[in-house]
Amino acid sequence: DSGVTQTPKHLITATGQRVTLRCSPRSGDLSVYWYQQSLDQGLQFLIQYYNGEERAKGNILERFSAQQFPDLHSELNLSSLELGDSALYFCASSPGTGAYNEQFFGPGTRLTVL
Amino acid sequence: DQQVKQNSPSLSVQEGRISILNCDYTNSMFDYFLWYKKYPAEGPTFLISISSIKDKNEDGRFTVFLNKSAKHLSLHIVPSQPGDSAVYFCAASAIGNQFYFGTGTSLTVIP
Repeated sequence: DSGVTQTPKHLITATGQRVTLRCSPRSGDLSVYWYQQSLDQGLQFLIQYYNGEERAKGNILERFSAQQFPDLHSELNLSSLELGDSALYFCASSPGTGAYNEQFFGPGTRLTVL
Repeated sequence: DQQVKQNSPSLSVQEGRISILNCDYTNSMFDYFLWYKKYPAEGPTFLISISSIKDKNEDGRFTVFLNKSAKHLSLHIVPSQPGDSAVYFCAASAIGNQFYFGTGTSLTVIP
């Protein structure tokens, strides 16, 4: 158990809909990262927050947005969903910022868009 | 554009033998490399890392080798155990920026 929790575990929805994925980082970790893993793909970095502020942005679509709240939990919002958004979404946390910090991953949320 | 590549989707090894997982990268600015292990229904867990100032890092049964001129790194597991059966991802970053992950290699250790 990494100490990072993600809810829900599974989500099934229809095209055009909007969903919110939630992540609670390890106690004491200030950074939260979001990744997308599509079929046969590696983990694609989406976005990082550090202590409530956006720190780095990767291949995140404009239809997607995220935020980190004062209690440090984070939410990833996916809107106008398309079939291609079906993927595993992982959240990770680390104590500090920068890629030299080991990241601890949650179990992921599997999103299926029908 | 896949900057980190794992060209072998799967690998099978007998218990007790050596497992060698390979990873290639294209960005010469990458200076930090990691291996993560992933079991089904779980998130990836950190295994071992190496900085570009080194060419080898060892942690128990796991050793990572870095060949900067070839832009290649490998993970050696000796001896392999059935519990090592998992998907292994390599990842790289440049100057503390985001990680780029490979597509993973599924290792099966046969008892």
